[in-house]
Amino acid sequence: KNEVEQSPQNLTAQEGEFITINCSYSVGISALHWLQQHPGGGIVSLFMLSSGKKKHGRLIATINIQEKHSSLHITASHPRDSAVYICAVGQGAQKLVFGQGTRLTINP
Amino acid sequence: KAGVTQTPRYLIKTRGQQVTLSCSPISGHRSVSWYQQTPGQGLQFLFEYFSETQRNKGNFPGRFSGRQFSNSRSEMNVSTLELGDSALYLCASSSLGETDTQYFGPGTRLTVL
Repeated sequence: KNEVEQSPQNLTAQEGEFITINCSYSVGISALHWLQQHPGGGIVSLFMLSSGKKKHGRLIATINIQEKHSSLHITASHPRDSAVYICAVGQGAQKLVFGQGTRLTINP
Repeated sequence: KAGVTQTPRYLIKTRGQQVTLSCSPISGHRSVSWYQQTPGQGLQFLFEYFSETQRNKGNFPGRFSGRQFSNSRSEMNVSTLELGDSALYLCASSSLGETDTQYFGPGTRLTVL
């Protein structure tokens, strides 16, 4: 079993829909990162969380330390949100362990 | 501030050769991490440097090595290239390391023939 599991692996939705991507981890962590990767490879950091909830524009990230679970939400989704979303956890040793990614496609 | 830069962006090598990739972090960042991304294995951690010291290393063979210079620029080297080393190699810089926002470079796409 991978240390970091994401679901779903693929998600297709219509423009305007509310999107949720989940990340579960099995180890103790120092921080959890949500990353976005567009075709062509560029990776952008969306959030870094160690507790609670963060919001940036239409994106919201939450983490439940006790349940070892994090969610990334996108409100009013748009075709430009189409990308691969990756959850990564730091385990206190300057090493990030990554989930397998969720491929999101938003159709107009 | 300029972003993280990686050179070269694309590279084609043959089996048995060696390659050196370069990463220049955001000015002021002292942590540089390297990652390998392949379709089969996804993103995997290679190593992390902070102020010229390697603080951790991933589960890769000794053919993969790296270093960091006093100006925080980092290089990684792969010797005796194998076909399976074909991948996108990404570096990321941050001020502190894993508990800090990571800024990724555009990557170097290495193809081994």
